[in-house]
Amino acid sequence: SYELSQALSVSVALGQTARIDCAGNNIGSKSVQWHQQKPGQAPVVVIYRDKNRPSGISERFSGSNSGNTATLTISRAQAGDEADYYCQVWDSNFWVFGGGTKLTVL
Amino acid sequence: QIQLVQSGAEVKKPGASVKVSCKASGYTFTFYDINWVRQATGQGLEWMGWMNPHSGNTGYTQKFQGRVTMTSDNSISTAYLELSSLRSEDTAMYYCATLYMAQPFWGQGTLVTVSS
Repeated sequence: SYELSQALSVSVALGQTARIDCAGNNIGSKSVQWHQQKPGQAPVVVIYRDKNRPSGISERFSGSNSGNTATLTISRAQAGDEADYYCQVWDSNFWVFGGGTKLTVL
Repeated sequence: QIQLVQSGAEVKKPGASVKVSCKASGYTFTFYDINWVRQATGQGLEWMGWMNPHSGNTGYTQKFQGRVTMTSDNSISTAYLELSSLRSEDTAMYYCATLYMAQPFWGQGTLVTVSS
């Protein structure tokens, strides 16, 4: 079965740029989604199909996907960006999630 | 706008079954699959399976085969997740999600607690 790997945690200084990676075998050939989850809340998608932002999501969120790594980039990080971030792809009809990365804004 | 509204929290005893509902609005319910994802406290997201409301076709991960049933009542745009033979390890938040025009949308979640 297909697997996705993420770092357990990433820290970023307030106002700086955070990058969260998601590794998978030839993930560049798949469509990647990024889901943000704040404590006590349901996940919310912040990027879909590699680089598309849903309506209402800040333009500070961007995504890229190539080779064996997909990346979520959060520019000008704010305290409100602190959350768990999960990458996700489709493998046949199955949803596959990465283990999640906890973003801390210092 | 697209909304998925789930039923309220449940408390069940080991060995019992639970049925969680997910009511969709804002789109044509039968056009898009409903997926179910669960999350134990402090853990990551775990995809359980999908169902197609139009055809009734389903797909479940092997872990839940034999214990899970996903159905729908298209007349009220509602999907259901039923999990049987509950054990303490099934205590988790259960989410429904759909993929509308390639964009995922999530329900608010239903907490299922399994306790004697």
